[in-house]
Order: sequence, then C-alpha cells, then structure tokens
Amino acid sequence: DTGVSQDPRHKITKRGQNVTFRCDPISEHNRLYWYRQTLGQGPEFLTYFQNEAQLEKSRLLSDRFSAERPKGSFSTLEIQRTEQGDSAMYLCASSRTSGRNGELFFGEGSRLTVL
Amino acid sequence: SQQGEEDPQALSIQEGENATMNCSYKTSINNLQWYRQNSGRGLVHLILIRSNEREKHSGRLRVTLDTSKKSSSLLITASRAADTASYFCATEAWGNEKLTFGTGTRLTIIP
Repeated sequence: DTGVSQDPRHKITKRGQNVTFRCDPISEHNRLYWYRQTLGQGPEFLTYFQNEAQLEKSRLLSDRFSAERPKGSFSTLEIQRTEQGDSAMYLCASSRTSGRNGELFFGEGSRLTVL
Repeated sequence: SQQGEEDPQALSIQEGENATMNCSYKTSINNLQWYRQNSGRGLVHLILIRSNEREKHSGRLRVTLDTSKKSSSLLITASRAADTASYFCATEAWGNEKLTFGTGTRLTIIP
C-alpha cells in the first residue's frame, strides 16, 4: 500500500496560466475525490469519481476547472486561466466502495499559489 | 459549503491533559468521522461513528454522537505534544457519497 500520491506538491503560477494536478489513488480503490482547502478552513468538496465516471461536481467547480479519470486509475485536475482566488491546497482522496466504511485516504495535497 | 462547525476554533492545553472538541452539523447523517491534519499535510482518518452508535473508543480517542442534537464530541485523553494538529469532523449524509467537512479545531499541546 503506497498511499495516495499527488504531484506536484507545490505550484507557483502567474494569473491567467493553466495548471494541472495529478493524483494516483491507492490501487484497489475505485472512488477518487478532489477537495480544495484554503488557509484556516476545512476541505471543500469539488468532485468525485467512481472508476472513470464523474458522479458529482460541486458548484464550486466553475467552467475553468475540469477533472478526468481515464481508465479509472489516476486522475487529473486542470485549472484554466488561473485567478488569485484559486490559490489553495488541492487535496485528493480515495476509498473503496465494496465493504467500505466511508473512510477516505488523503494524499499530501498540491499547494497552488497564483501570483 | 461546510456542513459542520467545530468548537472551539483553537485550543491550547498542557501535555497530559485531556482535550475535548465539539462538532455540530445540519442534516441527517449516515456516519460522522474525525480526521487530523498536521500543518501543510494531508488529512488522516482517526475514527468513524455510525448514526446508530452513541459512543466509540479507539486508543486515547473517545467519540460521542448525539443525533437528536446533531452534535459530536472528540475527546483525546492524556495528550502528547505529537497531538498538536488541526482536527476536523466530517459527515456523510444518507444517499450522498461524499464527506462534508467542518471548519476545524486547531489543537496545541504545550510540553
């Protein structure tokens, strides 16, 4: 069990640029979640996948945000035309569905700073 | 949006003392979970309590759940410096497959 892996851990970009984050879940987990966390706040749900299907998207996820999970393995979260308000920690988590008790396993996060 | 609110927002205690954090939430839930987050790191699951349970223990952790008051508490006994972290409650609503997190309690253990 190698845990949930996120890349990059830190990203500094200029406003207007596009950024992409990658998440590799625990291999036998078929649920994958993206959360966003700003300083001093709890994680806010963005979207989640079961296998390759994106099952729910938050209203927080504007049309500048897109997430994919091709082949139900790793996932990417892309932010186009970044704004300073996008600066946050982007957290990925995975879980099982069968026999699950609802526990999420989180990665270390990708911290985005938009200048 | 945040489902729950933790109280207090920040708590400082001496090492060895007990720490109690409270969580209130708004909707009916399937289960409630507590997570810990060290500064700048990801979240780590601590304990899960189902809606039909009232109390659960895991090591130095004790969680209670009162569904009539829509509230939960997390007790950490015999605190250690390594317990310094932010603690979040998270709820899973019936028929909803995602966790909704509260605002967190920042716990500082003074050696």
